[in-house]
Amino acid sequence: EAQVTQNPRYLITVTGKKLTVTCSQNMNHEYMSWYRQDPGLGLRQIYYSMNVEVTDKGDVPEGYKVSRKEKRNFPLILESPSPNQTSLYFCASSLKPPQRQVGSYEQYFGPGTRLTVT
Amino acid sequence: AQSVSQHNHHVILSEAASLELGCNYSYGGTVNLFWYVQYPGQHLQLLLKYFSGDPLVKGIKGFEAEFIKSKFSFNLRKPSVQWSDTAEHFCAVRPARDDKIIFGKGTRLHILP
Repeated sequence: EAQVTQNPRYLITVTGKKLTVTCSQNMNHEYMSWYRQDPGLGLRQIYYSMNVEVTDKGDVPEGYKVSRKEKRNFPLILESPSPNQTSLYFCASSLKPPQRQVGSYEQYFGPGTRLTVT
Repeated sequence: AQSVSQHNHHVILSEAASLELGCNYSYGGTVNLFWYVQYPGQHLQLLLKYFSGDPLVKGIKGFEAEFIKSKFSFNLRKPSVQWSDTAEHFCAVRPARDDKIIFGKGTRLHILP
């Protein structure tokens, strides 16, 4: 079954304790992305990756890191979490359209990770 | 800066009513447009998308949307809603010259049985 998986689904942690949220897709997608969802703010893109070893900042990258060492995995790293990073996080993946051309493919979303930082 | 505006934050309708959710974006070039739906407790799923061609696109579950280039709009419609349509709906835009995807803040749709 084609899917995007995230782990853990729920996490409660304390300020400053490094954590990693994993994301994996089995659809051989080039494009992967992380979002956070907050009430009244919708989804905001944190980081995205066009392919292995290629990552770029989204709209709210501060306090986050990512890596893309393998095509299927795109972990989100919080080196020193703070309470304002309490949120619902979604990973997504899609095929990559030809650069600078119309034909963007829809994204497939993971189930979400609810993170609470106290 | 590029942005996506969803005018209605919360919409309450009775079953069988017609629905139109507004979406406007600020970008002058070619865009790809999407509507996603998030049912309570679930992840986002694609309702429909527009790349090119016929500006009236049909999606799943009876939803459709019309791309009006002159108005920078991509409004979502459904002629007769059902209780099961209760969900949060997100409009998203991907400028063709960019790799970022911009989401609106969402419209929470509540259908009364």
